[in-house]
Parts: sequence; C-alpha cells; structure tokens
Amino acid sequence: DQQVKQNSPSLSVQEGRISILNCDYTNSMFDYFLWYKKYPAEGPTFLISISSIKDKNEDGRFTVFLNKSAKHLSLHIVPSQPGDSAVYFCAASAGSGTYKYIFGTGTRLKVLA
Amino acid sequence: DGGITQSPKYLFRKEGQNVTLSCEQNLNHDAMYWYRQDPGQGLRLIYYSQIVNDFQKGDIAEGYSVSREKKESFPLTVTSAQKNPTAFYLCASSNSRQSRYQPQHFGDGTRLSIL
Repeated sequence: DQQVKQNSPSLSVQEGRISILNCDYTNSMFDYFLWYKKYPAEGPTFLISISSIKDKNEDGRFTVFLNKSAKHLSLHIVPSQPGDSAVYFCAASAGSGTYKYIFGTGTRLKVLA
Repeated sequence: DGGITQSPKYLFRKEGQNVTLSCEQNLNHDAMYWYRQDPGQGLRLIYYSQIVNDFQKGDIAEGYSVSREKKESFPLTVTSAQKNPTAFYLCASSNSRQSRYQPQHFGDGTRLSIL
C-alpha cells in the first residue's frame, strides 16, 4: 500500500523552463510534507517543506504547492538548470506523535542544456 | 562542519554473516533513522530512535537490529536472517526536540552487497 506516490518515474525539461514534479498521497492524517533531491551514490538533500496549514511555500527557484482536497503536492523549479538534474523524492510525515516519514518512489529529472 | 557520517561507503558480506553499518552525527540531533533503498523504490524505514536507549521498529525491521547507546551513534546490524540484504542503506537524523516539523538530514549511504 503506497501511501505516497510519484507516478512519473522521469521527466526531461529544457534549461530555463519550468520543471513540475508531482506527488499524491492517500493518508489524510499527513500534515507535513517535504521534498528531497538526491544525486547518485549520495544521501538525499532537503530542499523545501510545507505544513498542512499552508498551500504554498517558496524558497528561491523552488516552490511547493499543496492541495489538501486533492491530496496532491507539486514542486516547481523555475528556471530549471542543468545542476537540478537529480532524483526528487517527496515525503510526508505520518501524523502527530510520530517522527516517521513516508517517502515516494522518486522522479528522475533531467534538465537539458 | 556538522553532518552525518556513514561508513564504510561500500561493504561486502558473505552469506550467513552479520555485518554492522556505522552512523555517526555531530548535529546534536535527538532522533536518528535507518532507511533502505532498492532500485526503483522509495526509502523504506527500518528502525528509528527518538532518544538514547530507545528505538522503534520501522516498516521493514525483520532481519535487522540497532542500538542507541550514545546520542551521536546509531549502528545498524544486518543479520543473517535478512534474506535479501543487498541494498543502499541511508542513515538520517533530525532535531526532533525543537519541533516535530523538522526535516531529516541524511548521510551519504552505505552500499551493501552479498558475495
């Protein structure tokens, strides 16, 4: 039972354009969501997060949108750069009283120069 | 520089052997975690610990054991009972004392292979 789903295994975008990575979840108790970026043979690096009391959070070129009614979040990268090429994971906190995070399967982004 | 150190980066194990993966952090974080990553899959939680001398099973704890004798250290033992141990193992920590809404910081992982 995959509670956090990233249905696109890969995405290619031209340099300078917008990259949109999507994530869906099934558990309505999730209240904190994060995006991580991962290069091969390295650990994931935290990018940006959003709590369920917000619907948007911005940090430089990265914006995360949360649609609670649709149980959907997305990461927008504008403008996309070749150095953004990596695997992106979304994760959700499993609810109050726990420090567990549920991760999606990842989307491989390739930014073409 | 604060961070999480996992060692070794590559590890080979013979069938029937136990092997221990090291994870050390100097971020003064209370909570530590072990994940496993397989090709095409997300990170799956093996064990986590919120404070010293306490830890809980994650989603795939069978065949693994941990200890948390010191705040800085959270070693993972892959026992011979783990039938499919070949994977990329990631250790993480978070500042859970400050707030539950804290991101996890990851080490660079250990790749375990069976000979």
